[in-house]
Amino acid sequence: NAGVMQNPRHLVRRRGQEARLRCSPMKGHSHVYWYRQLPEEGLKFMVYLQKENIIDESGMPKERFSAEFPKEGPSILRIQQVVRGDSAAYFCASSPRTGHTYNEQFFGPGTRLTVL
Amino acid sequence: GENVEQHPSTLSVQEGDSAVIKCTYSDSASNYFPWYKQELGKRPQLIIDIRSNVGEKKDQRIAVTLNKTAKHFSLHITETQPEDSAVYFCAASTGNQFYFGTGTSLTVIP
Repeated sequence: NAGVMQNPRHLVRRRGQEARLRCSPMKGHSHVYWYRQLPEEGLKFMVYLQKENIIDESGMPKERFSAEFPKEGPSILRIQQVVRGDSAAYFCASSPRTGHTYNEQFFGPGTRLTVL
Repeated sequence: GENVEQHPSTLSVQEGDSAVIKCTYSDSASNYFPWYKQELGKRPQLIIDIRSNVGEKKDQRIAVTLNKTAKHFSLHITETQPEDSAVYFCAASTGNQFYFGTGTSLTVIP
């Protein structure tokens, strides 16, 4: 059972470009979470998705950031018109299907975004 | 929303000594409390967790305690080894969202 997959592992963008980060959850997991981690800081919740639904996006910046988790394919975190302050590690985590009272989270390896 | 505070932010111990990291939370609805270890440049890895229906859980050299009344939980590492050096994060969850502490950088001095 492959773990949570993220790609790319490293992404370099110039200011104003778009960044697309992908996350494939563990097999059988239908919940996906995205977190941002700035250097030497903690994990900041961004968004929680289930297949085709955004459940909680309270941690997402109001502009330029969007996320989706389509019926088929990976979850995508999209950052438009990137700025230097977007440089960070972006981690995806997945957890099992609905019905579990306590959902353990398993993290992917992260995507390290650098904005030049 | 939930607010998780974690202390200390840095901790240095001699090899073989114990290390204790403490977290507090604010939302009484939180019922799941995992701890993650993150080595430099790596992903966070779940090392132990505790549910709200128990007060203590132990796994070899690692133990976690939970005081629901006081809304705090702690990670205890005994007989520390250099490979325990990492950043440790606590988290609290109501079942959907997870709220993380700011992390504790643990250094075990050989």
